[in-house]
Amino acid sequence: AQKVTQAQTEISVVEKEDVTLDCVYETRDTTYYLFWYKQPPSGELVFLIRRNSFDEQNEISGRYSWNFQKSTSSFNFTITASQVVDSAVYFCALSGGGSGNTGKLIFGQGTTLQVKP
Amino acid sequence: EAGVVQSPRYKIIEKKQPVAFWCNPISGHNTLYWYRQNLGQGPELLIRYENEEAVDDSQLPKDRFSAERLKGVDSTLKIQPAELGDSAVYLCASRQWDLHKAEQYFGPGTRLTVT
Repeated sequence: AQKVTQAQTEISVVEKEDVTLDCVYETRDTTYYLFWYKQPPSGELVFLIRRNSFDEQNEISGRYSWNFQKSTSSFNFTITASQVVDSAVYFCALSGGGSGNTGKLIFGQGTTLQVKP
Repeated sequence: EAGVVQSPRYKIIEKKQPVAFWCNPISGHNTLYWYRQNLGQGPELLIRYENEEAVDDSQLPKDRFSAERLKGVDSTLKIQPAELGDSAVYLCASRQWDLHKAEQYFGPGTRLTVT
């Protein structure tokens, strides 16, 4: 069975601090995709990143960076120099890949990030 | 490019009443999903459509929930009759099928409150 665990329920930081959101996943698929989505108070899930299981390169996009480690089944997300606008619920998600790619997303419970001014 | 459109954004009904949600996916996206998100939880898949065919409805409570996607574009999700436990946000998502691109794009959701 597939499972995503986000152990941190809530994190509170002060603006400009760096913060890391943890994500641990379980799957028996050899090919799979990992995602991060942001859900601001407006409610819409905003796609941030997709990572293929064959690509373990870390990725940086502005203040955002992602660390994918298959050895520990983790896909952590770091926000550098956090800003108030980063306050939201962040979800890590997993889907199977390859020819059986149905796109069904298995979500973690989410981490609520509060950035205080 | 317009995103996924959902309506209504909010709905309050009494238990045992029927309710329907509408979704218009991103143009050209042939895969459409309905998810339910309970308070404090991640979304959970209810049903997936490939064009007009429901290919995964294993988690749809079929005794009271139904869905359709006529002509493979817009979709409607219905609950009849609604129960208190159905209070949640109902999210619609779409994806352009591509073996190498798996991201889904979500609409703003419909927040349902059953009293």
